[in-house]
Amino acid sequence: EPEVTQTPSHQVTQMGQEVILRCVPISNHLYFYWYRQILGQKVEFLVSFYNNEISEKSEIFDDQFSVERPDGSNFTLKIRSTKLEDSAMYFCARGRIAGGLPYEQYFGPGTRLTVT
Amino acid sequence: EDQVTQSPEALRLQEGESSSLNCSYTVSGLRGLFWYRQDPGKGPEFLFTLYSAGEEKEKERLKATLTKKESFLHITAPKPEDSATYLCAVQGGAAGNKLTFGGGTRVLVKP
Repeated sequence: EPEVTQTPSHQVTQMGQEVILRCVPISNHLYFYWYRQILGQKVEFLVSFYNNEISEKSEIFDDQFSVERPDGSNFTLKIRSTKLEDSAMYFCARGRIAGGLPYEQYFGPGTRLTVT
Repeated sequence: EDQVTQSPEALRLQEGESSSLNCSYTVSGLRGLFWYRQDPGKGPEFLFTLYSAGEEKEKERLKATLTKKESFLHITAPKPEDSATYLCAVQGGAAGNKLTFGGGTRVLVKP
C-alpha cells in the first residue's frame, strides 16, 4: 500500500521561528501520526490524529506543537517557536484500519528539520 | 510504560552468513509487534506484523518469530542489499495506537 508524501524534505530555520511540516496522504485515511527521530536515537511518538481530532499525544508534544488537517487532505505539524533540540527527522505515518482497529503504520519519507 | 530493547546494536555479516536479531519487549496487552527496515535518511519501511506468540512471518530472506517476551528477525543468506537498520516496535493495548520503537540493529552485509 502507498505511504504518504511529506514536504519539505529539508527545512532549515532559526531558533524561535515557526515551522509547518506537511503530510499528504495518498488516499483518504482516518488515522495519522507524527513521529520524530533525533539523529542516532530511537523513533519517538509525538501525536496521533483520528477523525480530525487528537486521539493521543506524548509528553514531547507540548504547547509548542499543534496538528491540523486544514483542508481535509493535508495534515500539518506546527512548531511555534523552534528550539535547537527540535532538530530531528519528522515522520508522518498513516494507520491501516482492519475490523475497526488500527494496525501497522506506513511512514512517509520524512522532513529533516535543522534549527540553527 | 511499554519498552523495547533490540540487540545487538550493530551486526557485520559476510554475504551468505545467516544471523538473527533480537527484540525484547515489555508491554501491557500486546496488540501487535512490528518489524521495519530503515535506510539512512529514509522513513521506516514496514516488513511484518506479529500478533500472538508462536506466530511466524516470512518475506524473501527474512523471517520473523514471536514469543511472549521477545521477537527474532532471522536473516538467511543475506545479500549486500539487506544492509539497513532493522527496527522493532510494539503497539500495546493500554497505550492507544502509538508505536513504541526499539533502538534498532544496524546490519552491514559485506560482499
